[in-house]
Amino acid sequence: NAGVTQTPKFQVLKTGQSMTLQCAQDMNHEYMSWYRQDPGMGLRLIHYSVGAGITDQGEVPNGYNVSRSTTEDFPLRLLSAAPSQTSVYFCATRLNSNYGYTFGSGTRLTVV
Amino acid sequence: DAKTTQPPSMDCAEGRAANLPCNHSTISGNEYVYWYRQIHSQGPQYIIHGLKNNETNEMASLIITEDRKSSTLILPHATLRDTAVYYCIVRVAYVTGGGNKLTFGTGTQLKVEL
Repeated sequence: NAGVTQTPKFQVLKTGQSMTLQCAQDMNHEYMSWYRQDPGMGLRLIHYSVGAGITDQGEVPNGYNVSRSTTEDFPLRLLSAAPSQTSVYFCATRLNSNYGYTFGSGTRLTVV
Repeated sequence: DAKTTQPPSMDCAEGRAANLPCNHSTISGNEYVYWYRQIHSQGPQYIIHGLKNNETNEMASLIITEDRKSSTLILPHATLRDTAVYYCIVRVAYVTGGGNKLTFGTGTQLKVEL
């Protein structure tokens, strides 16, 4: 049981490049979500999913796309990276509303 | 979600109990109290949550006052590995439409020392 696995752990992108941050879980959790954490800003929700085939926007969705084709995976795509997207990204999952969230170890992204 | 107030920092001697307070005077009847912690550079870790009864698990105990306006997270025997930022979050258990988001405030930096 690996829990929540995020890849890569570190990434440097040039402005305008695209990439996909991967999030995979083996706990059969229905809820999956992406947060970004910036100094002094706390964690902010980007996108979330309540099950396979269902996604919705969080509070800071611009510049990011998601899809949920399987229960296990919830990739986050940056379409055209900008320096403002330099941040630490966390994937969080939970089984249902009776449980807390399980977070991945994060992806540290730098856009230059 | 109700706003929470936590002290910015606390110190605790290793082996002693760490008692972390949280005020949430505007909490609603259907809102739970959740506690998470974040050890430096790691993802947040769920600790415990409760509605109105005291709760205990292998990590900690949660004491909620009868009026539910405040709570205390207790780490019974703190170790150096418990040094982290602890977040108290108040929210409904299930959110539709607006997003299942967790609102992390600034939390309490707990430093456990020898």
